[in-house]
Amino acid sequence: KNQVEQSPQSLIILEGKNCTLQCNYTVSPFSNLRWYKQDTGRGPVSLTIMTFSENTKSNGRYTATLDADTKQSSLHITASQLSDSASYICVVSARSSASKIIFGSGTRLSIRP
Amino acid sequence: NAGVTQTPKFQVLKTGQSMTLQCAQDMNHEYMSWYRQDPGMGLRLIHYSVGAGITDQGEVPNGYNVSRSTTEDFPLRLLSAAPSQTSVYFCASSTDRGFTGELFFGEGSRLTVL
Repeated sequence: KNQVEQSPQSLIILEGKNCTLQCNYTVSPFSNLRWYKQDTGRGPVSLTIMTFSENTKSNGRYTATLDADTKQSSLHITASQLSDSASYICVVSARSSASKIIFGSGTRLSIRP
Repeated sequence: NAGVTQTPKFQVLKTGQSMTLQCAQDMNHEYMSWYRQDPGMGLRLIHYSVGAGITDQGEVPNGYNVSRSTTEDFPLRLLSAAPSQTSVYFCASSTDRGFTGELFFGEGSRLTVL
């Protein structure tokens, strides 16, 4: 069964600190993996996308990594800011005749001043 | 840039009432879709369309209808609302079903069914 699991479910850190969010997936055959940021009351917005051959992708203070062998991805946020408070959703696409997009349930990140 | 526009943002219905959630995009995307987002769960696909006149069911289609008469619009209809349909609904569009390209989401429509 294609699944995407994220951890932790929620996380609270102080402003200026770094953090890492985890995503494990069992989607096969793998096509790509995205991280989305969803502010409260808003729609998800794409941060990064990685294909099988990519193991690191950065977008400003956000750095995503992908290990296709262990089927794990992480999103590292450097020098967190209050505006980073949001849910972060890992999304994996399956490459097949019935291609599918599978969403994780997200990690709720709160940045405290 | 408008992107994907959803209306209404909030709606309260009584059980058995019907309503339509509107979705419009101005990016000329062929692919449009509707998702629902419930606490503790990932976004789940309700219905999708790969072009005008073409629609198909997603993971949780029961209780919902869609149509696609134009490239720009993709309304979602609830024919007889049930409390289980209380959720936040997101419309999304993409150039290629979102498998390789980015999914662009609307701001969401929060529906409460009493």
